[in-house]
Amino acid sequence: QITLKESGPTLVKPTQTLTLTCTFSGFSLSTSGVGVGWIRQPPGKALECLALIYWDDDKHYSPSLKSRLTITKDTSKNQVVLTMTNMDPVDTATYYCALGDYRYYYMDVWGKGTTVIVSS
Amino acid sequence: QTVVTQEPSFSVSPGGTVTLTCGLSSGSVSTSYYPSWYQQTPGQAPRTLIYSTDTRSSGVPDRFSGSILGNKAALTIMGAQADDESDYYCVLYMGSGSLVFGGGTKLTVL
Repeated sequence: QITLKESGPTLVKPTQTLTLTCTFSGFSLSTSGVGVGWIRQPPGKALECLALIYWDDDKHYSPSLKSRLTITKDTSKNQVVLTMTNMDPVDTATYYCALGDYRYYYMDVWGKGTTVIVSS
Repeated sequence: QTVVTQEPSFSVSPGGTVTLTCGLSSGSVSTSYYPSWYQQTPGQAPRTLIYSTDTRSSGVPDRFSGSILGNKAALTIMGAQADDESDYYCVLYMGSGSLVFGGGTKLTVL
């Protein structure tokens, strides 16, 4: 059974750096064709893909947020970490991680999400 | 930057059939974009319905089908049920590992 779980702070202050961790089980991020992505959803708005990391350490970032994002993986711990710098209230959202498939380019299994509020 | 377009809202009668579409602000969607579709109910994580244009994800009923219609990707729901009332998102592969979400379609069953 594949599961993913997001963890991190619920509340961050403006200008702070957000660090989110996706801990997964049931698959290995060293397997060819596998990736993990971070997707966010502001309240009442659409989903937005932030960053993807693949088994070969290839990374892709949203062009509009690229300067603020870093995605890394720790294969031994089955974790993917996303950092986002210079947080702003508009970054308030539910943040999801998901298992990505690099053969067919889609998100296969999703975590339940974690809510992040940016406020002073 | 190319935008992925979806109808903001749609309604269908119970038992009816509805087709939601996914296009590009510039150009046509083809199978090379590997369109995928996701269902999301309020307060829940998205659920994967369709990937690679027309392949149903595990456990998805065959009432849901994907295709290319004209210059867009399409999600067709047959025999609409009350619990199909959700937001539906498409995703297109834009190359170089990039996945872009559409703005979503809010489907009402009434």
